[in-house]
Amino acid sequence: TQLLEQSPQFLSIQEGENLTVYCNSSSVFSSLQWYRQEPGEGPVLLVTVVTGGEVKKLKRLTFQFGDARKDSSLHITAAQPGDTGLYLCAGAINQGGKLIFGQGTELSVKP
Amino acid sequence: GAGVSQSPSNKVTEKGKDVELRCDPISGHTALYWYRQSLGQGLEFLIYFQGNSAPDKSGLPSDRFSAERTGGSVSTLTIQRTQQEDSAVYLCASSASVQETQYFGPGTRLLVL
Repeated sequence: TQLLEQSPQFLSIQEGENLTVYCNSSSVFSSLQWYRQEPGEGPVLLVTVVTGGEVKKLKRLTFQFGDARKDSSLHITAAQPGDTGLYLCAGAINQGGKLIFGQGTELSVKP
Repeated sequence: GAGVSQSPSNKVTEKGKDVELRCDPISGHTALYWYRQSLGQGLEFLIYFQGNSAPDKSGLPSDRFSAERTGGSVSTLTIQRTQQEDSAVYLCASSASVQETQYFGPGTRLLVL
């Protein structure tokens, strides 16, 4: 059974602080996606990483895929209240398109 | 439409009743996925379709759950004899083909009383 452990589950910080969210697994994924979900909506894709060691930047967000393609991290620099939401990592396995999701990180950024 | 749509957006039903949830994927997308999101469980895979066939239905929790897809487009997820533990948000996603980016709909919030 593939599992994706995401931490922390809850994070409450002040505006301007930095934070990192981690996703770890004992399984190798062909790719890993990060999604953000707002209340009452479906997850919206932020980024896909496919190559071990890959780093992608999206404004103040930096995503990294581990060398062995078993783990990933999301780092947010100078968090803003608009970053508040649920962040989900999801790993794709080779068999079909099934995504294995982490438990999610509920981020609250206070002004 | 431009995105994945799901209906109804909310459904309240009584225990023991059957419910049907509908998903309209992005036009032209051949792959369609159903997930369930519940408190404490996160997002769980239920089933996916490639065209009208379902190569992987390993996530369906019990034989009360079934899904079909017709014409390579619309899909329905049916839950028979609903139980309170079926209460969750049911999310549908589609992708241009298997293993490509999945785009999610807004979900159907199901509450079983």
